Amino acid sequence: AQTVTQSQPEMSVQEAETVTLSCTYDTSESDYYLFWYKQPPSRQMILVIRQEAYKQQNATENRFSVNFQKAAKSFSLKISDSQLGDAAMYFCASLISGTYKYIFGTGTRLKVLA
Amino acid sequence: NAGVTQTPKFRVLKTGQSMTLLCAQDMNHEYMYWYRQDPGMGLRLIHYSVGEGTTAKGEVPDGYNVSRLKKQNFLLGLESAAPSQTSVYFCASRVFSSGNTIYFGEGSWLTVV
Repeated sequence: AQTVTQSQPEMSVQEAETVTLSCTYDTSESDYYLFWYKQPPSRQMILVIRQEAYKQQNATENRFSVNFQKAAKSFSLKISDSQLGDAAMYFCASLISGTYKYIFGTGTRLKVLA
Repeated sequence: NAGVTQTPKFRVLKTGQSMTLLCAQDMNHEYMYWYRQDPGMGLRLIHYSVGEGTTAKGEVPDGYNVSRLKKQNFLLGLESAAPSQTSVYFCASRVFSSGNTIYFGEGSWLTVV
C-alpha cells in the first residue's frame, strides 16, 4: 500500500534561518511524483514544489528545495531564509504515475518566530 | 483566473438536514476530487471523477453522494448530515496526464450541530 508519513507534527524556526521538514513514503512503484503543499491560515492549499521520481536532480523553487533520497524513500523540504509568511501547515503528498490517487501525509505545522 | 471555486464557503447544518456543495473549475480538467480535512488526519478522499458522467468512491465515501453532469462541475451531497461530517471540504482538479499538479479550491467549512 502507498503511504506518506510526516513524523514532525510541529516545527519552529527563527526568521531568516533554515528549516527542514521531513517526509517519508512507501511505494513499490518506480514511476511516481512527490509534492509539498502549503496550507496557510486561510486554508488554501498551495503547491510549493514537485519532484518526479525519475529525475535525480533535486527540485528547487526560490527559497524552497527538496532532498529526494529515492533509495531511502525520503523527500524532505528545506526552507531557506524563513519568512513570517512561511508559517503554515505543510503537507507532503505522492502520486503514482497514471493513477488518480494522491496520498497525503498528516502535515507539519511550521511556526516562524520573529 | 478563477481556478477551482467552491460554494458555499461556510455552512451550519442541523443533524438530518441535507445540502450540496458545488465545485466549479474553469481549467478544462478531466479529474475532479472531493476531500475532507480533519485535525491530525490530513486529507482524505471522499469521491473522485475521471470525466463527465463518471464518479467513483474514495477512502471515506459513506454518507456522501456526488454527481458530475458537466465537465466543469462536481457536486458533493450530504443527504442526512451527521455531526461526524463536521469538517473542511476541499474540491480539487487536475489534467489527465501523469504527474500533473492537483489544484485546490479554497475549502468549505461545514458544521453539523
